[in-house]
Amino acid sequence: EAAVTQSPRNKVTVTGGNVTLSCRQTNSHNYMYWYRQDTGHGLRLIHYSYGAGNLQIGDVPDGYKATRTTQEDFFLLLELASPSQTSLYFCASSDAWTGGSYEQYFGPGTRLTVL
Amino acid sequence: AQKVTQTQTSISVVEKTTVTMDCVYETRDSSYFLFWYKQTASGEIVFLIRQDSYKKENATVGHYSLNFQKPKSSIGLIITATQIEDSAVYFCAMREGTGGYKVVFGSGTRLLVSP
Repeated sequence: EAAVTQSPRNKVTVTGGNVTLSCRQTNSHNYMYWYRQDTGHGLRLIHYSYGAGNLQIGDVPDGYKATRTTQEDFFLLLELASPSQTSLYFCASSDAWTGGSYEQYFGPGTRLTVL
Repeated sequence: AQKVTQTQTSISVVEKTTVTMDCVYETRDSSYFLFWYKQTASGEIVFLIRQDSYKKENATVGHYSLNFQKPKSSIGLIITATQIEDSAVYFCAMREGTGGYKVVFGSGTRLLVSP
């Protein structure tokens, strides 16, 4: 069974604070994604990666950095957190090779509150 | 740019009936993949079903099926014999077939199934 874990599950920080959200997948998948979920907007893509050292920009990247250190680990960094970044963050992984299944496997989410 | 639109924000049905959820997409690619995901009340997001753009036959998995209308850029999700546990938020998503492997989601449709 594919597995994606996220930590922390909940985080409260203050405006201007630094936050790192972690994601680990044990699926041996090439692709990893960070989304934020807000009421009325569904899941919006922040950043994604197709392997260690690679980073692709999503649709709502402003205020976020990301780094893929290994095939398993993908981090989302908020260096100067703002209240507008209060949201539920999901990490996902998928296999993108020909013949592989393309669906995404999601982590349980991290709820971030910026005061 | 690729885009996915779900105009139905919520639907209420009675148990054991059939429901259809709408989704339209925009893409310039001739090859793409369409997905439906379910988010349960606990927040868990799980993959339901997928349609590859080059396949004419509508995908079916259990009591989920798709109504793929390529000329209309439409991919509806049909749930037959609905059950209480089908109550959830359903997301439509698309991955273009060439370059990037970016996956974008619609805003979701909340389904409430009542006895």
